[in-house]
Amino acid sequence: NAGVTQTPKFQVLKTGQSMTLQCAQDMNHNSMYWYRQDPGMGLRLIYYSASEGTTDKGEVPNGYNVSRLNKREFSLRLESAAPSQTSVYFCASGELRGNTIYFGEGSWLTVV
Amino acid sequence: GQQLNQSPQSMFIQEGEDVSMNCTSSSIFNTWLWYKQDPGEGPVLLIALYKAGELTSNGRLTAQFGITRKDSFLNISASIPSDVGIYFCAGPYSGTYKYIFGTGTRLKVLA
Repeated sequence: NAGVTQTPKFQVLKTGQSMTLQCAQDMNHNSMYWYRQDPGMGLRLIYYSASEGTTDKGEVPNGYNVSRLNKREFSLRLESAAPSQTSVYFCASGELRGNTIYFGEGSWLTVV
Repeated sequence: GQQLNQSPQSMFIQEGEDVSMNCTSSSIFNTWLWYKQDPGEGPVLLIALYKAGELTSNGRLTAQFGITRKDSFLNISASIPSDVGIYFCAGPYSGTYKYIFGTGTRLKVLA
């Protein structure tokens, strides 16, 4: 019962470094999502992929890129990390007919 | 863009009390989802609502899809310490799979 799996769970980056957050789901969902959550705040949508082969911008896409590698995997890339990108990142996947989304456990990213 | 506003932002209640919170939108939603987030974890789906007026329960939790389709309500009866956490409402922009989340209601239960 893995559900949505994110890696890494914790990462510290220096300003200007790049990194990729990986996400995989084993529920055969079509849609996948990346959110960020800043301390004491709600979740803001960065990018989403309604289906394999498509990606769309969310509320806060600047500074990020995504790749829907296949139906299972959706990665988030920071090309040049900035301190403002320090946050907790959540991947989620969704069932089209059920209209619900399920979350991974989060990735804690600190940019110094 | 669209926002989901939740009220109250935070609340302290005594164990055993009932809790009510709500979520409002500036536009119509066709689906309302309620999540709970424990510290250090991802949000977990509690209840999903798909029709205006729908009332759905999950144990001590009851949620309602507002008649106007611009709001939703979550009630917790006889609260217990493990109800502590942040409760989020969420829904997709009309006709899309772009789910947005509310600002959250932080619940603290005093034993």
